[in-house]
Amino acid sequence: QVQLQESGPGLVKPSQTLSLTCAVSGGSISSGAYSFNWVRQHPGKGLEWIGYISDSGSTYYNPSLKSRATMSVDTSKNRFSLRLTSVTPADTAVYYCAAGDFGENWIDPWGQGTLVTVSS
Amino acid sequence: EIVLAQSPATLSLSPGERATLSCRASQTIGSYLAWYQQKPGQSPRLLIYDASNRAAGIPARFSGSGSGTDFTLTISSLEPEDFALYYCQQGYNWPPMYTFGQGTKLEIK
Repeated sequence: QVQLQESGPGLVKPSQTLSLTCAVSGGSISSGAYSFNWVRQHPGKGLEWIGYISDSGSTYYNPSLKSRATMSVDTSKNRFSLRLTSVTPADTAVYYCAAGDFGENWIDPWGQGTLVTVSS
Repeated sequence: EIVLAQSPATLSLSPGERATLSCRASQTIGSYLAWYQQKPGQSPRLLIYDASNRAAGIPARFSGSGSGTDFTLTISSLEPEDFALYYCQQGYNWPPMYTFGQGTKLEIK
């Protein structure tokens, strides 16, 4: 099973762009065996799915993010990324990267998560 | 958007008791439902996929059932480590538009 590790700034200013990367180990991101997701969890709240990307780069996003989210894959570095533009304090959350068996509709495994705070 | 409603919000039980957690979908989702466990400070862990299949390494005391709109996660005899938050998640749509329930907190009575 692959392992995932998020990285990125823990503090982002309002109106700026949040950028996170997820390093994948224990398997090739381009193997065709996996799909990849970002999920976030506001402090003390439930889980919100952000988006999905396949190893070929096909992307699907939660419409509630109103086109602010962009996901990409870097097969040379075996990692994938999330960009979220025009952030507000409401985007403060723990962000998880996670995988899934390609063609399946559950999410496993998950990274450990990274807290991103949006504040001036 | 498919909405998942979990009940109860909080379940207070003692070790050794049986836990029954419910998840109801706003429309039929076949068997495309997963259950996750989350402990404080940890990421979610997959327990059940496709409504009734245990994920690798999950103890046999965890079982899932249901199809259509009504689903149940049962823990047959609670162990101390089972007290946690539990979420259901649907994966019915393609293209994917995953949604989660709001969670059930299983606490020690």
